[in-house]
Amino acid sequence: DQQVKQNSPSLSVQEGRISILNCDYTNSMFDYFLWYKKYPAEGPTFLISISSIKDKNEDGRFTVFLNKSAKHLSLHIVPSQPGDSAVYFCAASAQGGSEKLVFGKGTKLTVNP
Amino acid sequence: DTAVSQTPKYLVTQMGNDKSIKCEQNLGHDTMYWYKQDSKKFLKIMFSYNNKELIINETVPNRFSPKSPDKAHLNLHINSLELGDSAVYFCASSQHTIGAVDTQYFGPGTRLTVL
Repeated sequence: DQQVKQNSPSLSVQEGRISILNCDYTNSMFDYFLWYKKYPAEGPTFLISISSIKDKNEDGRFTVFLNKSAKHLSLHIVPSQPGDSAVYFCAASAQGGSEKLVFGKGTKLTVNP
Repeated sequence: DTAVSQTPKYLVTQMGNDKSIKCEQNLGHDTMYWYKQDSKKFLKIMFSYNNKELIINETVPNRFSPKSPDKAHLNLHINSLELGDSAVYFCASSQHTIGAVDTQYFGPGTRLTVL
């Protein structure tokens, strides 16, 4: 039962262009969403998050958009850089203060020079 | 300085053996976690401890036993290893803020291979 889905296992973009990574969720109780980035042989590192009371959160080149009615969120990276090449995990949490994160399977982003 | 460290990084063992994975965090966090990333790449929570007390225990076989000697350490002991236990195990830690979702900091992972 996949509550958090990342339907694109991989994405390839050119340096300087926009990368858009998508995530869908099924559990309407989720109210906090996070993106983690993972390099090979390392643990995931936190990138950006958004609360369900917002529809957009921006941090430098990274912006996360949340569409609650569609149960969809996306991560935009612009401009994309080769160092952004990594696996990106979408994660969600229910009831605000819960420590339990539910992760998607990840999308491998490759940014070509 | 490594914030969340795990040992060993790689572990290859035979079916039926008992093994332990250690985790330490130097961030002063109250909460620590164990996650399993299986061959299908899903990252799933197994356990969570807050200040040495078990607070999350997902449906994990009782062959898996976490132990937290203090709030900076959370070890994972696995008895009678099975082929299906082969995975990458990640330790993580976070602060514990009531009513908030705190950022979790992950260790580098331990790749367990059961032959």
